[in-house]
Amino acid sequence: QITLKESGPTLVKPTQTLTLTCTFSGLSLTTRGVGVGWIRQPPEKALEWLALIYWDDDKRYSPSLKSRLSITRDTSKNQVVLTMTNIDAMDTATYYCAQCRGDYGDYLDYFDPWGPGTLVTVSS
Amino acid sequence: QSVLTQPPSVSAAPGQEVTISCSGSSSNIGSNYVSWYQQLPGTAPKLLIYDNNKRPSGIPDRFSGSKSGTSATLGITGLQTGDEADYYCGTWDSSLSTPWVFGGGTKLTVL
Repeated sequence: QITLKESGPTLVKPTQTLTLTCTFSGLSLTTRGVGVGWIRQPPEKALEWLALIYWDDDKRYSPSLKSRLSITRDTSKNQVVLTMTNIDAMDTATYYCAQCRGDYGDYLDYFDPWGPGTLVTVSS
Repeated sequence: QSVLTQPPSVSAAPGQEVTISCSGSSSNIGSNYVSWYQQLPGTAPKLLIYDNNKRPSGIPDRFSGSKSGTSATLGITGLQTGDEADYYCGTWDSSLSTPWVFGGGTKLTVL
């Protein structure tokens, strides 16, 4: 059974750096064809994809947030860390991590399963 | 504005069927597989359909997916009150404007 769980601060002040950790089990981020992504959802709004890290440490970012995001992995701890700099109120959201996988070799094309999410509020 | 366009809301009575559309372009839906996610109130999204029309284990066959050109459709038959949720489509976008894109979401109300 694959599980993922997000952790990090629930309240962050504007201009600070947000660090979120996704701890997973049942999957190996060194296995070909596996990735872990971050997706966020502001209150009452739609899902927004943020970043993805692949089994070979390749990374993809949302272009609109690329300058503020960093995604890394710690394979020994089964963790993926997302860092977002210069936080502001617009970053208030529930942040989810999810496994990205696919049935056609290196082509990863869906997210399953998802973690329960962690709500991050940005306020002074 | 989402790159993938979904109707904000749909509704139907219990037992009826409903379809939710997801409209994109040649750089996303037109050239990549589409997945669908169900988000029940207060919970994380759950994979419902992948590779346009495949159902993960445990998803009932009341849920179906299809794709034609630059549009995809989620179908739900035999509606139940427990199907009330937000539904999102998602896919890669080869234009790299945003590598992965989600639709704006559709709120399904079972009257």
